[in-house]
Amino acid sequence: QVQLQESGPGLVKPSETLSLTCTVSGGSISTYYWSWIRQPPGKGLESIGYIHFRLNANYNPSLKSRVTISVDTSKNQFSLRLSSVTAADTAVYYCARGDGYIPFDFWGQGTLVTVSS
Amino acid sequence: QSVLTQPPSASGTPGQRVAISCSGRSSNIGSNTVNWYQHLPGTAPKLLIYSNNQRPSGVPDRFSGSKSGTSASLAISGLRSEDEADYYCVVWDDSLNGWVFGGGTKLTVL
Repeated sequence: QVQLQESGPGLVKPSETLSLTCTVSGGSISTYYWSWIRQPPGKGLESIGYIHFRLNANYNPSLKSRVTISVDTSKNQFSLRLSSVTAADTAVYYCARGDGYIPFDFWGQGTLVTVSS
Repeated sequence: QSVLTQPPSASGTPGQRVAISCSGRSSNIGSNTVNWYQHLPGTAPKLLIYSNNQRPSGVPDRFSGSKSGTSASLAISGLRSEDEADYYCVVWDDSLNGWVFGGGTKLTVL
C-alpha cells in the first residue's frame, strides 16, 4: 500500500520561502505523477502543481511565478518550494499521487503551514 | 473563483437521494472525464468516482456519477449521516494543462 507523508515547518514568516517534502513509501516515485494541493482555512481545495520524474513540472498559473516542485528519486521524495509567502498562503498542504487518468488516488494526511511573523 | 462551478451547499434527510452538480467548459468537462472526491474535516480527501461514473473498490454503490456535455453530477442515494462532508469535482483542463477543482459542496444530512 502506497503511503505519503508531508514534512516541513509549520510556521513561515511573510516574504520567506515555504518548503515541504513528501516522502513516498510502498512504491517507487519513478513512475506516476506527484502533486501538491492546498486548502486555505474555510476555503476549497486548490491544485498547486505536479511533477513526473521524466517530465517538467507543471504549475497552477496563479502560483507559477513562485512555485517549484522537484523530485529526488534516490530518497523517494518530492518537494514543494513556494517563495515570497503571505498570509494568503496559510493552508493545509497535501501531497498526492496520480496515474495520469485518476488525478489523485493516494494522499498524505496533510500539514498545516501558517504564514505569520 | 474556481474553474468548475459547484453549489456551495446541499442537504437532505436520511434515506433521501441528493445530487451535486459540477459545471465547466469545453476545455475541461467537455473534453475530459470527471472525478469526485469526498473530504471529511481533518482527513485526506477520498476518491469517490473516477472516469465520470466508475467507483473505486470499497465505495458503496449508493454513490454514482454522470456527465453530459460540459456538466457533471454526483448522486448519493440512501443518504446517511456519515455522508455529511465536502464534495469536490476534479477534471483535467486542456487550456491550463493541469487538474482543476470545483469550489466544493458542503453536504448536510438533516
